[in-house]
Amino acid sequence: GAVVSQHPSRVICKSGTSVKIECRSLDFQATTMFWYRQFPKKSLMLMATSNEGSKATYEQGVEKDKFLINHASLTLSTLTVTSAHPEDSSFYICSAGTANTGELFFGEGSRLTVL
Amino acid sequence: AQSVSQHNHHVILSEAASLELGCNYSYGGTVNLFWYVQYPGQHLQLLLKYFSGDPLVKGIKGFEAEFIKSKFSFNLRKPSVQWSDTAEYFCAVNNAGNMLTFGGGTRLMVKP
Repeated sequence: GAVVSQHPSRVICKSGTSVKIECRSLDFQATTMFWYRQFPKKSLMLMATSNEGSKATYEQGVEKDKFLINHASLTLSTLTVTSAHPEDSSFYICSAGTANTGELFFGEGSRLTVL
Repeated sequence: AQSVSQHNHHVILSEAASLELGCNYSYGGTVNLFWYVQYPGQHLQLLLKYFSGDPLVKGIKGFEAEFIKSKFSFNLRKPSVQWSDTAEYFCAVNNAGNMLTFGGGTRLMVKP
């Protein structure tokens, strides 16, 4: 199947700093990528839909200015957690689909720890 | 808005026991249905999917799921589980584009 890669897999930062997480589709082009957040022992929560060449669509309750999403090319979307606080510590996962079938391929996830 | 419910949050089974995990969704139109698995320390992987045709779909590692439209259900089954099936299982539904709605997940522990 198609491969989606995230980087970094783990990041620890100080409170107040910004952290960028990359999501790449390695062997296909993705006009749409999705960003999720997974809390401990919980399911995935969709944060936003990243659209290549246009603004991301955020889910209700997700702060646009806090979680900046940039989908600059057909193979790369980035999530920047700005002015991170300890409550932003979580597991962030991205996904992308190859076509309009609903099947998605997931990245390995990025574990963010804010001290 | 559509929603997906997984009834069992935690399931503990002994090896060779049969497994059935429930999944119900709320959406009246055409849907695509998925089961994903997340093994400890790994990312989500697709177990099986249903788009159309035979409502009984077979996936990897001996898993199967049956789509019952009248019940809005897509239950996951395996006749005989193994210790290596210990993981978290997520049901997901898509009705438009590539957006998936996930169920809450079911954590399965198989005791050797």
